[in-house]
Amino acid sequence: GAVVSQHPSRVICKSGTSVKIECRSLDFQATTMFWYRQFPKKSLMLMATSNEGSKATYEQGVEKDKFLINHASLTLSTLTVTSAHPEDSSFYICSARRDRANEQFFGPGTRLTVL
Amino acid sequence: QQQVKQSPQSLIVQKGGISIINCAYENTAFDYFPWYQQFPGKGPALLIAIRPDVSEKKEGRFTISFNKSAKQFSLHIMDSQPGDSATYFCAASKGGMRFGAGTRLTVKP
Repeated sequence: GAVVSQHPSRVICKSGTSVKIECRSLDFQATTMFWYRQFPKKSLMLMATSNEGSKATYEQGVEKDKFLINHASLTLSTLTVTSAHPEDSSFYICSARRDRANEQFFGPGTRLTVL
Repeated sequence: QQQVKQSPQSLIVQKGGISIINCAYENTAFDYFPWYQQFPGKGPALLIAIRPDVSEKKEGRFTISFNKSAKQFSLHIMDSQPGDSATYFCAASKGGMRFGAGTRLTVKP
């Protein structure tokens, strides 16, 4: 159990367009989901924490108007990169946590390339 | 945001040897310390994790040693195999995960 999926796995878009990435917990209810960003050969950086039904909490330096997060249900969170630019190209990874357990289950990631 | 420091950056080990990766943290509020393995183009996969009230945890070939007073923890991979070649991240959390910079492990046959 404890599987997290992401869709799409890869996306290429033109500069100025918006891209939506979905994160789903397939076999459990995720009270909290997290979004991370990873540049090539670099570590994962926490972008934001989202709790179902409430506004996301963004890390310092992450633009909330740029990276819109919605956690509409206990199994789905979405990250929308608005007006994407080449510098937004990155590997975006979500994770999900059930109840107040420590363990987070990570999705397979989404590779975003902005031309 | 680099609240967890990890070393070494890269590590080469012979097959059958022991791989050791070290991490240090600053925030004493952290209450969960996992290690993740990541292959290129994939999400991180949990290897083993420990809580601060335990000094050591072993699962198969993987062992975490935890020193609360020194705010340090390490991963030992016994009998390292070429299939273990990957990037390893330590992390610490109180909510969202704070990751170390990663260690690229190469196990030579």
